[in-house]
Amino acid sequence: DQQVKQNSPSLSVQEGRISILNCDYTNSMFDYFLWYKKYPAEGPTFLISISSIKDKNEDGRFTVFLNKSAKHLSLHIVPSQPGDSAVYFCAALLTSGTYKYIFGTGTRLKVLA
Amino acid sequence: DAGVTQSPTHLIKTRGQQVTLRCSPKSGHDTVSWYQQALGQGPQFIFQYYEEEERQRGNFPDRFSGHQFPNYSSELNVNALLLGDSALYLCASSQLAVRRELFFGEGSRLTVL
Repeated sequence: DQQVKQNSPSLSVQEGRISILNCDYTNSMFDYFLWYKKYPAEGPTFLISISSIKDKNEDGRFTVFLNKSAKHLSLHIVPSQPGDSAVYFCAALLTSGTYKYIFGTGTRLKVLA
Repeated sequence: DAGVTQSPTHLIKTRGQQVTLRCSPKSGHDTVSWYQQALGQGPQFIFQYYEEEERQRGNFPDRFSGHQFPNYSSELNVNALLLGDSALYLCASSQLAVRRELFFGEGSRLTVL
């Protein structure tokens, strides 16, 4: 049972355009969400997060949107740069009781120069 | 400030053998979690250690065990290795009382022949 789903395994975007990566979850009890970026031969690195009490969080070129009613979050990268090419994972967290992160399967983003 | 360090980076074992992977958390972090990432999948939670005790566990058999030392470093042990144990094993540290973001090491790539 995949509680966090990233239905697009890959995405290609032209440099300078917007990249939108999507993530769906099934457990309405998740109250914190994170995005991680992973380059080959490296561990995932934290990118941006959002609490369930918010619907938007912005950090430079990166914005995460949360739609709780749809159990959906998205990561927007504007403008996209070739260095953004990586695998992006969304993760969900239950902060009460267990601190168990559930990761999606990842979306490979390729930014074309 | 050293980040999360893992050793070894690569190793090859045969079926039935045992393996020990090591992790030193980021300075100031007190919680260590271990994840298994199979090819094309997101990281899967194995277990989490805090105050030298296993606090949470994912859906992994008892062949997977761990330990946390007083200096917060941790070990992951896998007994009776199976071909399916071949994966990237990621260690992540955090200071859950302060921040929720996980900081990952580069991982240990285990190949079971």
